[in-house]
Formats: sequence, C-alpha cells, structure tokens
Amino acid sequence: DVKVTQSSRYLVKRTGEKVFLECVQDMDHENMFWYRQDPGLGLRLIYFSYDVKMKEKGDIPEGYSVSREKKERFSLILESASTNQTSMYLCASGVYGQPQHFGDGTRLSIL
Amino acid sequence: DQQVKQNSPSLSVQEGRISILNCDYTNSMFDYFLWYKKYPAEGPTFLISISSIKDKNEDGRFTVFLNKSAKHLSLHIVPSQPGDSAVYFCATRRTRAGNMLTFGGGTRLMVKP
Repeated sequence: DVKVTQSSRYLVKRTGEKVFLECVQDMDHENMFWYRQDPGLGLRLIYFSYDVKMKEKGDIPEGYSVSREKKERFSLILESASTNQTSMYLCASGVYGQPQHFGDGTRLSIL
Repeated sequence: DQQVKQNSPSLSVQEGRISILNCDYTNSMFDYFLWYKKYPAEGPTFLISISSIKDKNEDGRFTVFLNKSAKHLSLHIVPSQPGDSAVYFCATRRTRAGNMLTFGGGTRLMVKP
C-alpha cells in the first residue's frame, strides 16, 4: 500500500519565518506534488516535480519554493511566511496514468 | 478562473437514498476525470475515475457519468450510507506530461441516518 508521509500534522509559525514542510513517499514514484486546500477553492497546485532535482511551477507558486534532492522526498519551503499562507498543505505522489496518492496534510498557521 | 467547478458546496441526503454530486469543466481538452473523497484530518483518497472515451464507469455503489457535450460529470452514490459523509472533489487531468490535476472546490456530503 502506498504511503505518503508528511512530517507535521499541525504547525504554527510567525510571519517572516522560513518554513519547511517535508513529504516522503515509499513507492518509488517519479511524480510528487504540493497543493494547498482552502475552503471553496479546492486543492490548488503549488509545485510539482517529475524527477530528482526537477521541478515545475503549478498554479500558485508565488511565495513558495521546493526541493527534491532524493526521489522519495519533496520539500516545500515558505521563504518568508505571511498570514495569507495559513492553509492546509497536502503532498501527493504518483505515476503518469494512475491516480495520485495523498498524505494526511499539514495544517499550517502563520501568526 | 476556475476550470473545474462544483457549484454545490454542500448536499444533505437521507441514508439509503441516492446522492448525486455534480461537476462542470470548461476545457474540452481534458481527457481523464477523477473523484476523490476526503474525511476531516485525512488526505483525499481516490474513489473512481473515467476516461473521456467513456460516458459511464461503475464501481459498486459508485457510478460516474460523463457528458462531454455539456462538459459535465456527476457522481452517483446508491444507496448512500452515513460513512459516505465527507467532502468530494472532482478533478481533471491536464493533457500534458506530469500527471497534473485540476480540482474543483469540493462538495460536502452529509448522509443522515
């Protein structure tokens, strides 16, 4: 069974801090994704990666960056956290032609 | 501009009855459609999908219908059970490499015992 693990379930940070969200998958998937979920807006793609050290911007990349140094790990970085980045963050992994598998999410609050 | 829309934010249904969740999309190039279910404090889980070459796909109590001319898909749950209470997201695959999905805003389904 596919396991996508996000390092924190809840996180509280202050504005201006640099924030790291970590995601690990155990199925050797090429593709990994970061989304944020906000009420009424569904899931919006921030960044995705189709291979180690490869990344592409999604629909809302502003204020975020990512890192994929190893195939199983995909990190989302908030360079300077702001209150409008308070959200539920979801990581997913998958292969082309198959549904993506999601982690349980990190609820991030920026104060 | 949302390319995938779920116009009903919530739906309440009696146990044993049919639940119908709807989804509209704007881009006729989308070729693959999925439904995900999400419980509170958990990540979305894949429920059912349909390719654009089909107009119906069934899996147990769940059936997805695709109307390409109307750019509309729907998820039918029959019979509905209290354990089906969750937020349902429709999603479409963008037709380029990377398996990127575009999600609708979600519909919260409440099945009353």
